[in-house]
Amino acid sequence: GENVEQHPSTLSVQEGDSAVIKCTYSDSASNYFPWYKQELGKRPQLIIDIRSNVGEKKDQRIAVTLNKTAKHFSLHITETQPEDSAVYFCAASIVEYGNKLVFGAGTILRVKS
Amino acid sequence: NAGVTQTPKFQVLKTGQSMTLQCAQDMNHEYMSWYRQDPGMGLRLIHYSVGAGITDQGEVPNGYNVSRSTTEDFPLRLLSAAPSQTSVYFCASSYSRGGAYEQYFGPGTRLTVT
Repeated sequence: GENVEQHPSTLSVQEGDSAVIKCTYSDSASNYFPWYKQELGKRPQLIIDIRSNVGEKKDQRIAVTLNKTAKHFSLHITETQPEDSAVYFCAASIVEYGNKLVFGAGTILRVKS
Repeated sequence: NAGVTQTPKFQVLKTGQSMTLQCAQDMNHEYMSWYRQDPGMGLRLIHYSVGAGITDQGEVPNGYNVSRSTTEDFPLRLLSAAPSQTSVYFCASSYSRGGAYEQYFGPGTRLTVT
């Protein structure tokens, strides 16, 4: 089955700096890659996703890139702010199999002001 | 819309006890799922359902049962609680026809088994 590895497990950045979180997946058939943000004590919420027919997607300060050949995808957050502090999870699934997501272990992002 | 709701928010069980975690959604989503969240292990899929009357196992199904008699409800049953089931449980729902869609999570249930 699919396996998703996520790095780093913790990341500390200064406010205004950029943050990058990387994930690798094992199943070459995977074609949907969402990212979820979970604030302390809250539920996970989708922040951005990408499908395998696209190499990059941006939404304001966040972007996701996908390298299908290397089977890895990354989340980029620019101009980080204290409210970006949270746990970020990557996930992968096969669209034709519906919404059965396999999640990475998560990255704790701390933005220091 | 209330979205995805879960009850209870907190629960303490003794080893061997059974209980049901409730999950409901009012968005008419076909797909519903249960995850457990443990430190350093992300969200792991326990069971999922693609519609009323249809359920299937995820990554970590042992010790849990589910049923889906209606579109709205997807309860998770712990048959005989064990300390290894101490975790935070999230229910999620989404559309599912023809592709992958955003999953909406409930607020979670924090379960402690002593």
